[in-house]
Amino acid sequence: EVQLVESGGGLVQPGGSLRLSCAASGFTFRSNDMHWVRQITGNGLEWVSTIGTAGDTYYPDSVKGRFTISRENGRNSLYLQMNSLTAGDTAVYYCASAVAGQGALNIWGQGTMVTVSS
Amino acid sequence: QPVLTQSPSASASLGASVKLTCTLSSGHSTYAIAWQQQQPEKGPRYLMRVGSDGSHNKGDGIPDRFSGSSSGAERYLTISSLQSEDEADYYCQTWGTGIRVFGGGTKLTVL
Repeated sequence: EVQLVESGGGLVQPGGSLRLSCAASGFTFRSNDMHWVRQITGNGLEWVSTIGTAGDTYYPDSVKGRFTISRENGRNSLYLQMNSLTAGDTAVYYCASAVAGQGALNIWGQGTMVTVSS
Repeated sequence: QPVLTQSPSASASLGASVKLTCTLSSGHSTYAIAWQQQQPEKGPRYLMRVGSDGSHNKGDGIPDRFSGSSSGAERYLTISSLQSEDEADYYCQTWGTGIRVFGGGTKLTVL
């Protein structure tokens, strides 16, 4: 079964850090681009970061310099290191996948909630 | 970078058909998009990719009731024989070098 399972969400204080993980199964992880997408409660989807099969990384300005995406192909795992968190980062974070070089996100996880609050 | 525009809401009756629209910004009319469905309290689900020529490639297990098409800068998702479980948020998504972009989503209500 094709599956992405996120973990690592929780409550963190403003200015704090958190590391999210995503475990992949059922497909050839190393052949896929991987992404993080977030959703603030009641809002739409927002792209957070991308890592290609060659390790190239991309971020929107809203998280650039604060978030770092990484992958470990031997463990079929994706990570998101989030630093200098603010209340505006409070959201459900989804792990998603796309065949390398194709832009459509065609595999999604169930999400993990991150709450930034004192 | 491309911007995607969607109507915030749509509604249609059970058993009827509905056509949702996603509009690409000026200068990006040849971009392909993907349609994503998000049912209440669930993660998104990939429905299909729609090219500028109207070709579409559906995800595994997506019913034939769902189809995609294109005209100019507009990309469409048509759902026929509406069922209660089709009540969801529908997002279009596109991409460029190093970026992914989402539309604001359309909330579909099945009456």
